[in-house]
Amino acid sequence: EMQVVESGGVLVQPGGSLRLSCAASGFTFRNYWMHWVRQAPGKGLVWVSRINPDGRDRIYADSVRGRFTISRDNAENTLYLQMTNLRAEDTSLYYCAIQGGSGWYVYWGQGTLVTVSS
Amino acid sequence: DIQMTQSPTSLSASVGDRVTITCRASQSIGEWVAWYQQKPGKAPKFLIYKASTLESGVPSRFSGSGSGTEFILTISSLQPDDFATYYCHQYNTYPTFGQGTKVEIK
Repeated sequence: EMQVVESGGVLVQPGGSLRLSCAASGFTFRNYWMHWVRQAPGKGLVWVSRINPDGRDRIYADSVRGRFTISRDNAENTLYLQMTNLRAEDTSLYYCAIQGGSGWYVYWGQGTLVTVSS
Repeated sequence: DIQMTQSPTSLSASVGDRVTITCRASQSIGEWVAWYQQKPGKAPKFLIYKASTLESGVPSRFSGSGSGTEFILTISSLQPDDFATYYCHQYNTYPTFGQGTKVEIK
C-alpha cells in the first residue's frame, strides 16, 4: 500500500529556513513524479512544487520560486522541500502527494505544519 | 496560471439529495481535471481523474463530467459519509485548485 509520511514542520521566525521531508513506502518511489501542496489554516489547497522521477525536472509556484527547492533521494525513498526566507504567508500544512498518470494525485500524506511567526 | 472557479462555496443538503458542484476553468483544459474529498483534519482523498473516470473503490454515486472549461462533480444520492469539502484540480499546466465546496448537513 502506498504511503508517504511528512516531517520537519515547526515554528520558525520570518526569514528563517526549514527542510521538510517526505518518506515514501509501499511503492517504487523512483518511478513517480512527486508534488508538494500546502493548505493554510481554514483555507484551500495550493500547489507548491513538482519534481520528476530522476530529479532533474522541477517546477515551482510563483509564490515560492527562488525561495524553495524541491529534491529527492531515490536511494532513500525520500522527497524534500528546502524552504528559505520564510514569510508569514508560508504558514500552512504541507502535504506530499504522489502523482498518478498525467497529473492527478493518487495519494496524499497527512501533512506537516509549518508556522512562520515571531 | 489557469484559474479554477468553483461553485458554490458551500451548500446544505439532506441525506438522499442529489448534489452538483461546478468548476469553471479560465481557459480550455481538455479533460485534465481531478476531484478530491477532504474531511476536517484529514488529507484529501482522490475521487475522479480525467474529468469523469472514477478511481477504484470510490462509490458509484460519485460521477464527474465536462470538458474544455466547465466541469461538474455529481453525488447522486448524498450519504452521511459524504459531508466534506470537495476540490477540483486542473493538471493541464501548472496545477491549480478550485476554492473548495463545503457540503453541510441541512
